[in-house]
Amino acid sequence: DAGVIQSPRHEVTEMGQEVTLRCKPISGHDYLFWYRQTMMRGLELLIYFNNNVPIDDSGMPEDRFSAKMPNASFSTLKIQPSEPRDSAVYFCASSPGPGPYTFGSGTRLTVV
Amino acid sequence: KQEVTQIPAALSVPEGENLVLNCSFTDSAIYNLQWFRQDPGKGLTSLLLIQSSQREQTSGRLNASLDKSSGRSTLYIAASQPGDSATYLCAVMDSSYKLIFGSGTRLLVRP
Repeated sequence: DAGVIQSPRHEVTEMGQEVTLRCKPISGHDYLFWYRQTMMRGLELLIYFNNNVPIDDSGMPEDRFSAKMPNASFSTLKIQPSEPRDSAVYFCASSPGPGPYTFGSGTRLTVV
Repeated sequence: KQEVTQIPAALSVPEGENLVLNCSFTDSAIYNLQWFRQDPGKGLTSLLLIQSSQREQTSGRLNASLDKSSGRSTLYIAASQPGDSATYLCAVMDSSYKLIFGSGTRLLVRP
């Protein structure tokens, strides 16, 4: 298995633009998680899915953020409109449940 | 609300030293505890996972212990090498399988 695949690796966008981050989890993993990492706040859980259903989105900072998982092999995290304070590394991770997480390589987002 | 704290925030040691990284958590109702390594600009690599019923796990030069009742875990690295330089993150899994992370310990092993 190629692991958790995220795209793009880097994204630079202007304030106000829409940004879409993508994630392909490991096949067979029922859980998918979106995290954000910044120097100030460390790793924060934004939202997670179980069997494609959003379970807890309490970490999503604002209505500008939305996430979907249309099928077991694909998830998106969208920011619309983007702001400079959204600049961070966004990680996707998947797990079979009560087991080790596998993280993707992350998307480094810069909003100018 | 679960809070995870890691001490020290940064550590610099000469090559060959044995070292201990500390992690504490406020709520003992955890499912498991995981240690990760993160290299600069990279993702997270899982090192060790300790189930709540276990006391320790070992992998090569790494040994992680868990004392759930006191809310503490340690990661022991034997005979440290420059290649061990990275940030080490502790995370606890709650009953809904969410991981809550500490802020990490930045380790530098000097040749």
